[in-house]
Amino acid sequence: EPEVTQTPSHQVTQMGQEVILRCVPISNHLYFYWYRQILGQKVEFLVSFYNNEISEKSEIFDDQFSVERPDGSNFTLKIRSTKLEDSAMYFCATLITGELFFGEGSRLTVL
Amino acid sequence: TQLLEQSPQFLSIQEGENLTVYCNSSSVFSSLQWYRQEPGEGPVLLVTVVTGGEVKKLKRLTFQFGDARKDSSLHITAAQPGDTGLYLCAGVNMDTGRRALTFGSGTRLQVQP
Repeated sequence: EPEVTQTPSHQVTQMGQEVILRCVPISNHLYFYWYRQILGQKVEFLVSFYNNEISEKSEIFDDQFSVERPDGSNFTLKIRSTKLEDSAMYFCATLITGELFFGEGSRLTVL
Repeated sequence: TQLLEQSPQFLSIQEGENLTVYCNSSSVFSSLQWYRQEPGEGPVLLVTVVTGGEVKKLKRLTFQFGDARKDSSLHITAAQPGDTGLYLCAGVNMDTGRRALTFGSGTRLQVQP
């Protein structure tokens, strides 16, 4: 059973729409990460989240993006106004004893 | 500029052959990790190397961390079709100060039966 479950597995949206991607851990994790992988390209770091606060973010993670843990369980990534170039696989990961466990990803397609 | 350069980008070999893939950088890494990713799935950690010169074996896979902690290699002996996938190296770069993992662009391996 995976350490994190991601939903939706695939979302198709129109450019300019808001998208929320969700990550649900099995146990009470503290460290979360969002990475993205544009088709055929490398896995890129977006943001890390520790104890309900952003710990670190990359230059990709601009004002269009936000993360939160609204109910102490689910960990969400919101893209406020999607652009074509946001089309990618988005991976949530949690850190357990120095090892990153990735979810199966959410594929976002922006039309 | 790629922080972590992986080579080759693509490799197609026959079952039973040996292969080595490389992960190189001009920066020092506190540790390097190797992941394997299959289509439609997230990366899965294979190994972490921490000490310069370290060698770790995982069945038919041998991982080596360079003495200067700037490079690493993955050697697969007697490759099998089940080894097919995208092999990614990743590390925490000591030069940038970023604590999150930086990934290389990957080596896509296909093992033909």
